[in-house]
Amino acid sequence: ETGVTQTPRHLVMGMTNKKSLKCEQHLGHNAMYWYKQSAKKPLELMFVYSLEERVENNSVPSRFSPECPNSSHLFLHLHTLQPEDSALYLCASSQGERQGAGETQYFGPGTRLLVL
Amino acid sequence: KQEVTQIPAALSVPEGENLVLNCSFTDSAIYNLQWFRQDPGKGLTSLLLIQSSQREQTSGRLNASLDKSSGRSTLYIAASQPGDSATYLCAVTFMDSNYQLIWGAGTKLIIKP
Repeated sequence: ETGVTQTPRHLVMGMTNKKSLKCEQHLGHNAMYWYKQSAKKPLELMFVYSLEERVENNSVPSRFSPECPNSSHLFLHLHTLQPEDSALYLCASSQGERQGAGETQYFGPGTRLLVL
Repeated sequence: KQEVTQIPAALSVPEGENLVLNCSFTDSAIYNLQWFRQDPGKGLTSLLLIQSSQREQTSGRLNASLDKSSGRSTLYIAASQPGDSATYLCAVTFMDSNYQLIWGAGTKLIIKP
């Protein structure tokens, strides 16, 4: 496997379920990100991890809980979600955490989440 | 509030035409601006990055320009092909955004054979 992979690619869950999204990067990068992409809206940055430490949390509801056990893996744990949380969740990685400082981000294919 | 706007939201043109996609941003104090491409079922791919000090960047049939004073960038695609069909996203790093990318909602481009 190369690049950034995400599993599952599609997920349907009820509001009372607990599920987790997984992201893995094979690029030797130090920073990883979770984004939310809703239909016809700009990408929203949710979390940033650098060297396994969380460096950014953009006022995301607590029903989303990230976990970064090592620099290659990133999880997003989901609990008691709402229908408006239905979206494409994208994972990305970059060499450093200063995402806008000219460093290219590499994106995974995303997980399409539907909350019923 | 710092915002990035892309108009139109969708564009359809015949194959072979040259076309321009537009991106506007609300604050001229930026570090850089990037253009990305997103294909259905796939993640985003970085196309071009223009630093604040630059006026344009080129890659193959793509040319991106930057005019900070007017808060605008354009992505020019020459001799369009059906394979260019995708959603094109613009993202800006504003100087007081803690290096976070601020994204436009994208322009969905369809090239008709």
